[in-house]
Amino acid sequence: KAGVTQTPRYLIKTRGQQVTLSCSPISGHRSVSWYQQTPGQGLQFLFEYFSETQRNKGNFPGRFSGRQFSNSRSEMNVSTLELGDSALYLCASSFGQGRPNEKLFFGSGTQLSVL
Amino acid sequence: AQKVTQAQTEISVVEKEDVTLDCVYETRDTTYYLFWYKQPPSGELVFLIRRNSFDEQNEISGRYSWNFQKSTSSFNFTITASQVVDSAVYFCALSPHNTNAGKSTFGDGTTLTVKP
Repeated sequence: KAGVTQTPRYLIKTRGQQVTLSCSPISGHRSVSWYQQTPGQGLQFLFEYFSETQRNKGNFPGRFSGRQFSNSRSEMNVSTLELGDSALYLCASSFGQGRPNEKLFFGSGTQLSVL
Repeated sequence: AQKVTQAQTEISVVEKEDVTLDCVYETRDTTYYLFWYKQPPSGELVFLIRRNSFDEQNEISGRYSWNFQKSTSSFNFTITASQVVDSAVYFCALSPHNTNAGKSTFGDGTTLTVKP
């Protein structure tokens, strides 16, 4: 069974640009969550999608958005990039039954560098 | 609000030493779940263990053991006879009963380096 796949693995952008990151969950998983990981802030929750609907959202500005497609694949978009957006963006999938005890399966992340 | 504190930012040990990673959490919920994840250099976090708030039994899995103490809101992780392959960042996470696991609160992680 294939794991969670995130593309691209590395990305370099300049300030003001926008970026789209992609996440393909494990087959059969319907929930996809996104996290931002930085050395100073640890893992910060961005948002969670289930059945094409955003189910939860973290405390990030509106420049961060996402969506989920009918095949459960998800994309997140960051517009008007800032230097502080440089981070490892991790995607996690789960069965998505809404239970707090579900294991999360993570991808290897997309390392975004904003210059 | 939930909070997870991993006070140890970095730990360095020599192979075969035992090491304990601390995790202290804050929540107002009486029902919640605690997790440990391991993040090797490849980047993806790997699930290690899950514990619910009503189960305070310690658990041992090979060289790994977990000590859950509700009285002190701690969920510590011990690696016995550490190996170089244990080098990774370890995250403790909390998921209260009224939310989904995908919205877990993570600690800042502890970077463990095991030297040969």
